[in-house]
Amino acid sequence: EIVLTQSPATLSLSPGERATLSCRASQSVSSYLAWYQQKPGQAPRLLIYDASDRATDIPARFSGSGSGTDFTLTISSLEPEDFAVYYCLQRSSWPITFGQGTRLEI
Amino acid sequence: EVQLVESGGGLVQPGESLRLSCVASGFTFSSFAMNWVRQTPGKGLEWVSAITGSGDSTHYADSVRGRFSLSRDNSKNTLYLQLNSLRAADTAIYYCAKGTYINGGHFDYWGQGTLVTVSS
Repeated sequence: EIVLTQSPATLSLSPGERATLSCRASQSVSSYLAWYQQKPGQAPRLLIYDASDRATDIPARFSGSGSGTDFTLTISSLEPEDFAVYYCLQRSSWPITFGQGTRLEI
Repeated sequence: EVQLVESGGGLVQPGESLRLSCVASGFTFSSFAMNWVRQTPGKGLEWVSAITGSGDSTHYADSVRGRFSLSRDNSKNTLYLQLNSLRAADTAIYYCAKGTYINGGHFDYWGQGTLVTVSS
């Protein structure tokens, strides 16, 4: 099973600042990595797929990078609605696994 | 517009069974893999099971293999998850999620979830 480790667990920032979230895989997942945003009481929403492709209707301030074992989600300038929990997911091999999440808080 | 609507959750005792359903609309159901993902209240996400668009292949997490069974009825645009021998650790919100390819892919659309509570 591929283990995804996200860091930091919690990130405290202010609107307008830049956020950098990390996801590290225990073995290579090539580019088969996605990022999701989840707000309280809501289902996760797809932000980034295949490591760096933005999903439909996702603002350009969200970007993804990386390949192999090290990946980054960057939010260039935080908006108030961006404060949420972020998860990475790998689909390189079964079982599909998620990271434990990074909470982005004000 | 893609919509996924789950149902069938509820309160059951340990050892009992439940069947979850997910009705899909807004896309060609048989052309895409489907998945179930669960989330313990206040905790992270756990992938549970996946099925190909044709229904000829399924995958399960180790934590549910042998107890849960995933199937689909493409004529009814409906995904089913049969949960047997339920345990307290299975208590969670269960989401169905659409894959992006017939045999898998990442999850681009999610339902709003159905809550399963296993307690005596």
